Amino acid sequence: EAEVAQSPRYKITEKSQAVAFWCDPISGHATLYWYRQILGQGPELLVQFQDESVVDDSQLPKDRFSAERLKGVDSTLKIQPAELGDSAMYLCASSLTDRGRSTEAFFGQGTRLTVV
Amino acid sequence: GQQVMQIPQYQHVQEGEDFTTYCNSSTTLSNIQWYKQRPGGHPVFLIQLVKSGEVKKQKRLTFQFGEAKKNSSLHITATQTTDVGTYFCAAGSNYQLIWGAGTKLIIKP
Repeated sequence: EAEVAQSPRYKITEKSQAVAFWCDPISGHATLYWYRQILGQGPELLVQFQDESVVDDSQLPKDRFSAERLKGVDSTLKIQPAELGDSAMYLCASSLTDRGRSTEAFFGQGTRLTVV
Repeated sequence: GQQVMQIPQYQHVQEGEDFTTYCNSSTTLSNIQWYKQRPGGHPVFLIQLVKSGEVKKQKRLTFQFGEAKKNSSLHITATQTTDVGTYFCAAGSNYQLIWGAGTKLIIKP
């Protein structure tokens, strides 16, 4: 069964350092999401891509976070510099888009980031 | 921006009791999806509702979409320990998914 691949699974970094996460969505899925989830809370959308274009990055802290999906396939999320408050699970998800409607989102296993 | 309110935040039940979580929006939704997240896991898709007044069942789970397409519910009959987790609704609006805060189902020992 096709899966969304994310790496690394776990990352410990010191504050002020740079960190990057990678996501490979399910083949053929045009929509890719990056979410941040703090323990005990719901997923918070950071950025949404439709193919290689950003559809929504209104909640992305652009002073330190950046995301790209250059060829409309895999994607990278970067944080520079990392802060203690960035410790969270970073989830990538992908979905088909059916006539403008969002469809079922498939999630990767996530990257657990700890900033020390 | 558009928001989806999900209640309650937590629900403690004895095994065998029923569980219900509700999602409400102030605007008409294109569709609504439900996800389950087990402790330590990632959200897993359960179902999508598209039509006004739609009701779908998956074994002990019943999903409803309101007539005005502004609210939805998930009802679990006779909960089991395997039902433990957090249930999220996610409302579809154009290309976007707007997530509720989730309802955590806790089974009392």
